[in-house]
Amino acid sequence: NAGVTQTPKFQVLKTGQSMTLQCAQDMNHEYMSWYRQDPGMGLRLIHYSVGAGITDQGEVPNGYNVSRSTTEDFPLRLLSAAPSQTSVYFCASSYGQGRNYEQYFGPGTRLTVT
Amino acid sequence: GNSVTQMEGPVTLSEEAFLTINCTYTATGYPSLFWYVQYPGEGLQLLLKATKADDKGSNKGFEATYRKETTSFHLEKGSVQVSDSAVYFCALSGGANNLFFGTGTRLTVIP
Repeated sequence: NAGVTQTPKFQVLKTGQSMTLQCAQDMNHEYMSWYRQDPGMGLRLIHYSVGAGITDQGEVPNGYNVSRSTTEDFPLRLLSAAPSQTSVYFCASSYGQGRNYEQYFGPGTRLTVT
Repeated sequence: GNSVTQMEGPVTLSEEAFLTINCTYTATGYPSLFWYVQYPGEGLQLLLKATKADDKGSNKGFEATYRKETTSFHLEKGSVQVSDSAVYFCALSGGANNLFFGTGTRLTVIP
C-alpha cells in the first residue's frame, strides 16, 4: 500500500491564483481530513469527510473548498490564494469515525503565496 | 472546548539522556490522547495512544500515562538516540475523529 499520497510537494502561488492540492489513499478508509500546519500553532483542521459525497467544515475552513466524489480522493481547492494561506498542508485518513481510530497522514504539501 | 498545551522547544539532549515532554489538555467529555512524531521531510506518524484514564501508551521505548486528575499526558523515554530527533505532537480526539494538536516540540539528540 502506498498509504496517503499528496501532490505536489511544493508549490508557489501568486495572490489571487487558484489551485488544487491532491490527496489520495489506497486503504479504503472512509474518513479523510485536511490540516494546515503553521509555526507555533500546531495543526488545525480545515475540512473533513466521513464518506463519499459527505464533507464538513473544521476549525479554519475559510478560503478552502473540498469535495469527495470517491472513497480514495479528497482534493482541497484554494479559489483565490492569499498570503495568509502560506502553510504546510497535511491530508489524513482513518478507517472509521471515532476517537479510537488512528489517523494516517500524508507527507504534506508546502505552499507559499506571494 | 478542546485544547492541548505542550512544552515549548526546542529540546536538545545528548544521546542516552532521559527525555520528558510535557503535555496538558482541556477537554469536554472523555477524550483519547495521542503522541504523534514527525521526522524531517515526512508526515506525522502515530507514536502511542491512550483511550481512558490511567492507561499507559508505549512504543519504541516511549511511554505516556493518561492522568485525568492532572489532565496530563507527558511523553517520556529513558534513553534517547540520535534517531529520535524529530518533532513531537501531543493531540486529543474529542469525538468525530477530529484531532486537536499541541504546537509541537522539536527534539534534537546529539551524539
